Amino acid sequence: GEDVEQSLFLSVREGDSSVINCTYTDSSSTYLYWYKQEPGAGLQLLTYIFSNMDMKQDQRLTVLLNKKDKHLSLRIADTQTGDSAIYFCAESLYNFNKFYFGSGTKLNVKP
Amino acid sequence: DAGVIQSPRHEVTEMGQEVTLRCKPISGHDYLFWYRQTMMRGLELLIYFNNNVPIDDSGMPEDRFSAKMPNASFSTLKIQPSEPRDSAVYFCASSGGQNEQFFGPGTRLTVL
Repeated sequence: GEDVEQSLFLSVREGDSSVINCTYTDSSSTYLYWYKQEPGAGLQLLTYIFSNMDMKQDQRLTVLLNKKDKHLSLRIADTQTGDSAIYFCAESLYNFNKFYFGSGTKLNVKP
Repeated sequence: DAGVIQSPRHEVTEMGQEVTLRCKPISGHDYLFWYRQTMMRGLELLIYFNNNVPIDDSGMPEDRFSAKMPNASFSTLKIQPSEPRDSAVYFCASSGGQNEQFFGPGTRLTVL
């Protein structure tokens, strides 16, 4: 089956940039997503990228996709304490409605 | 719109009891998903529906789990009998077929 992998933890200082990485195995991915989960809440879509794109920028967020290496990253510029959360990478294949999620990366932002 | 609504938010029950989790998707969404989140296994898709019909239930762990969607605005996930290893956060999500799934706040289930 599809395998989406992420490192479990990342710790940064407030004001620094955070880079969260994700690898996936299925080359037929159509869309790749980043979701954010705050404590006690559900997942919220942050951004997504179509598989024929290399980069997408949205305010403080930059998504980079290396399709050859099947590697996706999320960069958060000027990280704030409010960015502390779990970040999930996900992919969808030809069937847009079935998502495969990674295990999530817990981002801790120290003041 | 109130978003995806799940109830209860927390459920504590004893092993062997029946547990029913409820979900109201966003109005107009024709896809509904049930996920389970645990520390050990992360976020797992259990089952999803399209137009109230189950499409893929390959993630349902065993026969103790069942899900129904009697109409477009309501779905249930039932565990009977429950076991301690079923303790997890259960999420419902809905989608209008576009590139986003909207998640509910989850139900935290504890089976003693």
